[in-house]
Order: sequence, then structure tokens, then C-alpha cells
Amino acid sequence: EVQLVESGGGLVQPGGSLRLSCAASGFTFNNYAMAWVRQAPGKGLEWVSAITASGGITYYADSVKGRFTISRDNSKNTLFLQMNSLRAEDTALYFCSKCRVLVASGGYYFDFWGQGTLVTVSS
Amino acid sequence: SYVLTQPPSVSVAPGKTARITCGGNNIGSKNVHWYQQKPGQAPVLVIYHDSDRPSGIPERFSGSNSGNTATLTISRVEAGDEADYYCQVWDSNSAHQGVFGAGTQVTVL
Repeated sequence: EVQLVESGGGLVQPGGSLRLSCAASGFTFNNYAMAWVRQAPGKGLEWVSAITASGGITYYADSVKGRFTISRDNSKNTLFLQMNSLRAEDTALYFCSKCRVLVASGGYYFDFWGQGTLVTVSS
Repeated sequence: SYVLTQPPSVSVAPGKTARITCGGNNIGSKNVHWYQQKPGQAPVLVIYHDSDRPSGIPERFSGSNSGNTATLTISRVEAGDEADYYCQVWDSNSAHQGVFGAGTQVTVL
């Protein structure tokens, strides 16, 4: 059974930093791309970032580019999101998700999701 | 960046058919995926690659995609189908980025 368990969320002041983790189990982690998707309170889903299975290529939403860094440790089956220069608008529930790749187009979709970890940016 | 447009809400009586649209410029040339999210829960993939169903998803859920509109159809709607539904594509034309629609709240009357 696929399990994705996020941690590391909390309350942080504007301009501060936070590192999220996602522990994966139930599948061969180093065979799959992974992603972070967030959801502000009462709002819709927003894709944040993705990383290839090897970790060699990363993708970011314009809203976080230059502030967030996605990475992974395949030896520990763990995905990370380093968030710097946090803003109030980054307040959201952050979901870790397992990606599937569309061979023809190279695009991703998300076939399993964790329960999320809440990040609150406020003074 | 690529924009997906969904109606904010759809209401449907039990046993009837709900159709949720997702509009985008020439979306028929992209692969569209759909997620169901119930209150307080993580999203669940219900349709991928326009019309394929993951294992465990009832046959009542189906999808289509052509021209500028993709559609998620829920047949014989049940009370348990009440949820928010999001469409998603991967925009490979510019920077590789994921794109979600704003979501459609389905209410079962």
C-alpha cells in the first residue's frame, strides 16, 4: 500500500524558512517522480514543484521559483521542500504526491497523495 | 501560463448525470486528469489521460476531451459523490509546470 506522510509544517514569520519532508513507502521510491501541491485555506489546488525520479531535474511554479527548493534522498525514501523567504500567501496545506509520467508528452499527473502538512506564515 | 476554467458549482439529483467541464485553449491536444476531493481529505485521482480510470474508481466516472473543453461525467450520481472536482494538465509548451483548474463543487440535491 502506497503511503506518503508529510511533516515539518508549522507557524513561521514572514521572511522565515521551513523545511518540509515526505516519507514514502509501499512503492519503489527511486522509480517515480514526486511533487508538492498546496491548498490555501478554503481555496483550490496549486501545483508547487516536481522532481524527476533521479532528482536530476526540478520544476517550479512561478510563484515559488527562486524561493523554494525541491530535493529527494532516494536512500531514505524521502522527499523534501526547502521554503525560504516565506510570505503570507504561502500559507497552505502542503501535499506530497507520487507522479506518473505520460510517455508521449512527458507530462505528470498525481496518482497518490499524502494527507498534507499545514504551513502558516504570520507575524 | 496556461489557464483552465471550471464552473464553480454543479448541482445534480441522485441517480442523474453530472457533467463538469474544464475549458482551455486547444485543451484537446493535452492530456487531462481529474481529482475528487472531499472535505478534510486529500485529493483522489478519478480519471487520467482524458478518460482512463484508476483501479477502484467506479465505472460511473468517465471523461472526454476535445477542442477547447474536457468533461468529467458522473453517471447515476450518489450522495457519496458530493465533493470538489479539479481538472489538471501539464503545460509543456513553456516552462514545464502543472496546472489545476479552480475546482467545481458538486452538490447532490
